[in-house]
Order: sequence, then C-alpha cells, then structure tokens
Amino acid sequence: DAGVTQSPTHLIKTRGQQVTLRCSPKSGHDTVSWYQQALGQGPQFIFQYYEEEERQRGNFPDRFSGHQFPNYSSELNVNALLLGDSALYLCASSLGLAKNIQYFGAGTRLSVL
Amino acid sequence: SQQGEEDPQALSIQEGENATMNCSYKTSINNLQWYRQNSGRGLVHLILIRSNEREKHSGRLRVTLDTSKKSSSLLITASRAADTASYFCATAQVYSGAGSYQLTFGKGTKLSVIP
Repeated sequence: DAGVTQSPTHLIKTRGQQVTLRCSPKSGHDTVSWYQQALGQGPQFIFQYYEEEERQRGNFPDRFSGHQFPNYSSELNVNALLLGDSALYLCASSLGLAKNIQYFGAGTRLSVL
Repeated sequence: SQQGEEDPQALSIQEGENATMNCSYKTSINNLQWYRQNSGRGLVHLILIRSNEREKHSGRLRVTLDTSKKSSSLLITASRAADTASYFCATAQVYSGAGSYQLTFGKGTKLSVIP
C-alpha cells in the first residue's frame, strides 16, 4: 500500500522563478492538504483540496496556488519566488473532509537563491 | 500563524526515562493531535484526542487534554534512543460551513534520548 509520495525531493530555484511541486495521496484517500515548514518551525497550512476544489486556505498570498486532479493527486505552484519561500513543503492526504488524521509525505525541500 | 505552543522547546533525557511535552493553544478545537518528525522529514501521526476526551493511551504514549486550560501534554514512557525526534501538537478546527477542517501546528519540542 503506497503512502503519500512527493516529487521532487529537493529543488533549487532563483528569485522570481516559478515552481511546481507534486503529490500523490495515499491509496484510497481523496483529500490533499499542503503545508510549508520553515527551518526550526512547525508546518503552516497552505490550503486543502477535495473534489478538485480548494476548500480551505491559510494565510498565504495568491502566489501560492494549487490544483487537484481527478485521480486525487495534487500540485502546488508558487510564482515569483522569494528567498523567504525556502522551506520544506509537505503534502498530507486523508479520506474525506470529516476524517482528521492526515498522512504526510516526506516533503520537497525548496531552496530559493 | 501558530496556534499551539510546545514546551519545552528542547528536551534531553537518558534512555529509559520518561519524557513529558506540553502544548498550549488559543481557540476552541475539535480535536488535538500529536505528530512526530525525524530530521526534517515527513510527519508521522501519533495520537488524536477529541475535545470531549480527557486522557488517551497508545502503547508507551499517554496524552491528556484540558480544554478549560487549553492545554495538552504528551508523555512518552521508558524512552528509547529511537524516540529522538521533534514532536508537534496540532489543533484541528472544523469549518462546518465549508465541511472541511484545518490543522494548526505548534513549533515543536526537540527530544533527544541519550543511550
């Protein structure tokens, strides 16, 4: 049973560029949430997707956008990268909106130079 | 913004000792969860306690919740070197209108268990 998979594992970009991160949820899960974790901090909620729609959004600018596909996989896009966007980006999946246990992937470490 | 605040920020103990971590939060919650993270990797769910529960056990883990004080504690008994990790509490707020929920994490407690 495959868990949550994220790609790529590491990514280096320069300021102003755009990046796309990908996530495949755990088998059978239909809800995907994205988190940003800066060094030494706890994860911060970016947004959540269910039925291909953004259901909840944290306090992140519009430069952060996402998408969920019919197979429940998801993408996180960040435009006009800033140095402060350097972080570990975590994807978590769960079954339905009412279930509260989320299963996390290993994350994508993004470095913006 | 961080809702939960863990205390202490770092904890170092000998193998076999018990480790206690505390978490405080600010708003009403649906449930509170504890997660573990090894070396900046993905988070692993440890235990969930609902707002109407006061105590919960899972193996060597014991979690308490005091909603009147908006606080929770995680006790790991008979610690092992493999327990070395960062531990985060996360509060879940359910948005009934949108039918969805959001997890808000604290900054974590870094636990080091010395063999």
